[in-house]
Amino acid sequence: NAGVTQTPKFRILKIGQSMTLQCTQDMNHNYMYWYRQDPGMGLKLIYYSVGAGITDKGEVPNGYNVSRSTTEDFPLRLELAAPSQTSVYFCASSYEGGTEAFFGQGTRLTVV
Amino acid sequence: QKEVEQNSGPLSVPEGAIASLNCTYSDRGSQSFFWYRQYSGKSPELIMFIYSNGDKEDGRFTAQLNKASQYVSLLIRDSQPSDSATYLCAVMRNYGGSQGNLIFGKGTKLSVKP
Repeated sequence: NAGVTQTPKFRILKIGQSMTLQCTQDMNHNYMYWYRQDPGMGLKLIYYSVGAGITDKGEVPNGYNVSRSTTEDFPLRLELAAPSQTSVYFCASSYEGGTEAFFGQGTRLTVV
Repeated sequence: QKEVEQNSGPLSVPEGAIASLNCTYSDRGSQSFFWYRQYSGKSPELIMFIYSNGDKEDGRFTAQLNKASQYVSLLIRDSQPSDSATYLCAVMRNYGGSQGNLIFGKGTKLSVKP
């Protein structure tokens, strides 16, 4: 049972490049989340989804896009990378609202 | 703007003491409240959750919720050096507008000195 799997673990991007952070969960969870965590800070919600085909903006959605075509997968797309997007990105999932969220191991992204 | 506020610390307590961590939130529609622990360089992991006003105890941990005051706290009894970590408070609205919106505070860094 893998839980929440994020790929890649590390990535260096040049300004203006695009990339997709992958997130998949095998727990049949309905809710999925993307967060970013800057050094010494808490988690900021980027986007979340309460089920396949349903996504909504969180606190800091600008510069990002998501899709949720299946229950298992919730990829995060960066279209034009900027230095301000340098951060650690966490994907999480939970069975439903009000239940424990399980986190992936994180993706450390550097934009230079 | 929905917000979750925590003192960033660091909070330093001696081994064996009680550590008290506090959190306030602005969205009165929040229904679920969580405490996560995050070790440096690791992912957050759930310590406790609470839904109803009052206290909830689990081993050395007690969560307290006061919805009228929009206040959540976490008490750690008999603190151990292994409890040294950042503690993140999170709140969620379970229905209505922004359902599923799980918002975290900035976290409180706890240091337990041997």
